Amino acid sequence: DAGVTQSPTHLIKTRGQQVTLRCSPKSGHDTVSWYQQALGQGPQFIFQYYEEEERQRGNFPDRFSGHQFPNYSSELNVNALLLGDSALYLCASSLIPGTPSSYEQYFGPGTRLTVT
Amino acid sequence: ELKVEQNPLFLSMQEGKNYTIYCNYSTTSDRLYWYRQDPGKSLESLFVLLSNGAVKQEGRLMASLDTKARLSTLHITAAVHDLSATYFCAVDSSYGGATNKLIFGTGTLLAVQP
Repeated sequence: DAGVTQSPTHLIKTRGQQVTLRCSPKSGHDTVSWYQQALGQGPQFIFQYYEEEERQRGNFPDRFSGHQFPNYSSELNVNALLLGDSALYLCASSLIPGTPSSYEQYFGPGTRLTVT
Repeated sequence: ELKVEQNPLFLSMQEGKNYTIYCNYSTTSDRLYWYRQDPGKSLESLFVLLSNGAVKQEGRLMASLDTKARLSTLHITAAVHDLSATYFCAVDSSYGGATNKLIFGTGTLLAVQP
């Protein structure tokens, strides 16, 4: 049973460029949440997707957008990259809140984004 | 707005000693999580605490939750070097219907010295 997978593992981009990160949830899970973890800090919630729609959003600008596909996998897109976007991007998969065992959240290995 | 505070931020321990990490949060919540993170790695789930008075133990780690005090503790017993890592607590941002939107504390960097 595959856990949460993310790609790529590492990425280096230049300021102003755009980037797409990918996440496949754990088998059986239908909800994907994205987090940004800057160096030395705790993860911060970006947004959450369920049924191909953004259900919740954290305090991030519109440069951060996402998508969920019918197979529950998800993408995180960041436009007009800034140096401050350099971070570890984590996705977490779960069942939709309100269902049994929805408290179980599994994090993927992360994508390390460096903006130069 | 939910805020989560951990203390201490850094903890240097000797092997064999006991210590406690504290996690305070500002508003009522249904769920509290503890995670471990090794350098450059992702988050490893340690415990999920779902009710007042909940206590869970795994090996040398024990977590408890007091929802009235909005306080969780992670107790380390007889520390060993392998426990060296950063520990995060995280709280679900909603009460009366969890959202799986987690607010994380600042983390506690634990260094166990021989």
